Amino acid sequence: NAGVMQNPRHLVRRRGQEARLRCSPMKGHSHVYWYRQLPEEGLKFMVYLQKENIIDESGMPKERFSAEFPKEGPSILRIQQVVRGDSAAYFCASSAAAGGANSPLHFGNGTRLTVT
Amino acid sequence: GNSVTQMEGPVTLSEEAFLTINCTYTATGYPSLFWYVQYPGEGLQLLLKATKADDKGSNKGFEATYRKETTSFHLEKGSVQVSDSAVYFCALQSGNTPLVFGKGTRLSVIA
Repeated sequence: NAGVMQNPRHLVRRRGQEARLRCSPMKGHSHVYWYRQLPEEGLKFMVYLQKENIIDESGMPKERFSAEFPKEGPSILRIQQVVRGDSAAYFCASSAAAGGANSPLHFGNGTRLTVT
Repeated sequence: GNSVTQMEGPVTLSEEAFLTINCTYTATGYPSLFWYVQYPGEGLQLLLKATKADDKGSNKGFEATYRKETTSFHLEKGSVQVSDSAVYFCALQSGNTPLVFGKGTRLSVIA
């Protein structure tokens, strides 16, 4: 029973390039969350999606960042024109229902983005 | 808004020592409280949870009690092992809001 799968594990991009991070939720899960972790910081919520819909994007930067969760295929977090400050670990989590005590989040191993 | 404050690390303990990691929260309504653990190079794993006041979550020898009067959810373990070395995150979730995390506390256990 595969858990949350994220790829790639490590991604290196030069400033100005695009970064695409993929997340396949656990089987049966239709709720996906993206979090960003900066060095020695906690996880900061970015966006919450349910199949084909963005439910809450209050943590997403207004520019250059976008997310989708299509009917078929993985969720994608896209960062356009990356800058050094985008270097971080990006974690995806999924749940069977809207996250809560009875539907806890399951996390992937993250994608570590380095912008050179 | 909702927020979580946990003690700063790093915390270094000898094997078999007693562990306490403090966590306090601010929230509207009646949140559920969680502890997650992150081992090196991995994602977060749910360690334990509590959904209402006076509930005690427990797992793998770790415990935390939901204290509404002190808005706290301190993590404890009676005897730590080297394999417990990791980063521990306190978190809360209230209503339909996303899970909110503390900054994490790094624990190192030495033999």
